[in-house]
Amino acid sequence: AQSVSQHNHHVILSEAASLELGCNYSYGGTVNLFWYVQYPGQHLQLLLKYFSGDPLVKGIKGFEAEFIKSKFSFNLRKPSVQWSDTAEYFCAVKYPYNFNKFYFGSGTKLNVKP
Amino acid sequence: DSGVTQTPKHLITATGQRVTLRCSPRSGDLSVYWYQQSLDQGLQFLIQYYNGEERAKGNILERFSAQQFPDLHSELNLSSLELGDSALYFCASTAGWGTQNTGELFFGEGSRLTVL
Repeated sequence: AQSVSQHNHHVILSEAASLELGCNYSYGGTVNLFWYVQYPGQHLQLLLKYFSGDPLVKGIKGFEAEFIKSKFSFNLRKPSVQWSDTAEYFCAVKYPYNFNKFYFGSGTKLNVKP
Repeated sequence: DSGVTQTPKHLITATGQRVTLRCSPRSGDLSVYWYQQSLDQGLQFLIQYYNGEERAKGNILERFSAQQFPDLHSELNLSSLELGDSALYFCASTAGWGTQNTGELFFGEGSRLTVL
């Protein structure tokens, strides 16, 4: 079955620490990959996406992610987190040749201590 | 503002009741997706429509149903409500189909349902 796994459910960091959130998907065919962020009390917003080309993609607010096809992974990174990055982060996979089905990971709650 | 509109924003009702949640996608978006977000279940895919037709079903209960109308707005009907149905229900839309699709989902702000 197609699925998305996020390994870290809850991460606590101090400001200026580096962040890496893991994401793996199960299907080996053509996929599009996304990271979304949900700030407290808000809806999901797109951080970045990968469709093709350079496997290192840069998103908003200093976030980046690297697509490693051989590992079915799309990990999210940020060199130095800020208190305002406190939010829940969701990895998502879209299957463009399967009716554009979207699957989301279970989410990672990031708590940045000032 | 994502351009996706959901109503109502908040809804409180009793067990056994029926409610309807409404979603207006971004202008021009043909695909609508519904998700349920609860504390213990995360973001669960419910159902997807494309231009009025159901395209995919996820973990949607038989007590729940949805449709997409000719004007592309969508409604999610929840009946015989139980306490466990309390959750945030998100609608999302995306443009086009296949290679014409720009990719990402645009989410509404959600409808928070509380069942007492």
